[in-house]
Amino acid sequence: AQSVTQPDIHITVSEGASLELRCNYSYGATPYLFWYVQSPGQGLQLLLKYFSGDTLVQGIKGFEAEFKRSQSSFNLRKPSVHWSDAAEYFCAVGVYNQGGKLIFGQGTELSVKP
Amino acid sequence: EAGVVQSPRYKIIEKKQPVAFWCNPISGHNTLYWYRQNLGQGPELLIRYENEEAVDDSQLPKDRFSAERLKGVDSTLKIQPAELGDSAVYLCASSLTRVDYGYTFGSGTRLTVV
Repeated sequence: AQSVTQPDIHITVSEGASLELRCNYSYGATPYLFWYVQSPGQGLQLLLKYFSGDTLVQGIKGFEAEFKRSQSSFNLRKPSVHWSDAAEYFCAVGVYNQGGKLIFGQGTELSVKP
Repeated sequence: EAGVVQSPRYKIIEKKQPVAFWCNPISGHNTLYWYRQNLGQGPELLIRYENEEAVDDSQLPKDRFSAERLKGVDSTLKIQPAELGDSAVYLCASSLTRVDYGYTFGSGTRLTVV
């Protein structure tokens, strides 16, 4: 069965420091992978997506993610975190042949300290 | 372009009462999703519509939940009667087609059952 694991429930980084959020997936074929961000009281906003091709994907707000098939990972990175990046981040895998169904991880809450 | 609009934003009801959530998708989007997000968890798909047809409702608790999408546009999700465990955020999303992954979410309805 398809699944997504985000090992870190909560991460705190200093403003200006680099960030890496981990995501591991379980899927039988080439996955469609996504990162979403959710600010308090808000819906989910798509940061970036990977379907195929270049394994390094650029997204909005200065985020990027790298698909590593050998490690079944799709980690999210940002070189310099801003206080406004504090939010909940969700990794998701798109289930092929089930329409646009997404399976989400449990999320990683990011706190940014000044 | 207006995004996915949901109402109400918040709802507090007593257990055993009925409740309904409304979703207006992005104009022209044929596919509509309802997800439920429990506290501290990622969203989980409840039901997916292609136009007015529910094509995936396998995760919808049909004994108390119902949904409809009249004329393939707006959608309503209903719970009757509500239970304490139904407290969650109910998210609606829409996409142009069923293979258009990485779709747009509304801000959600936060339901509290007391």
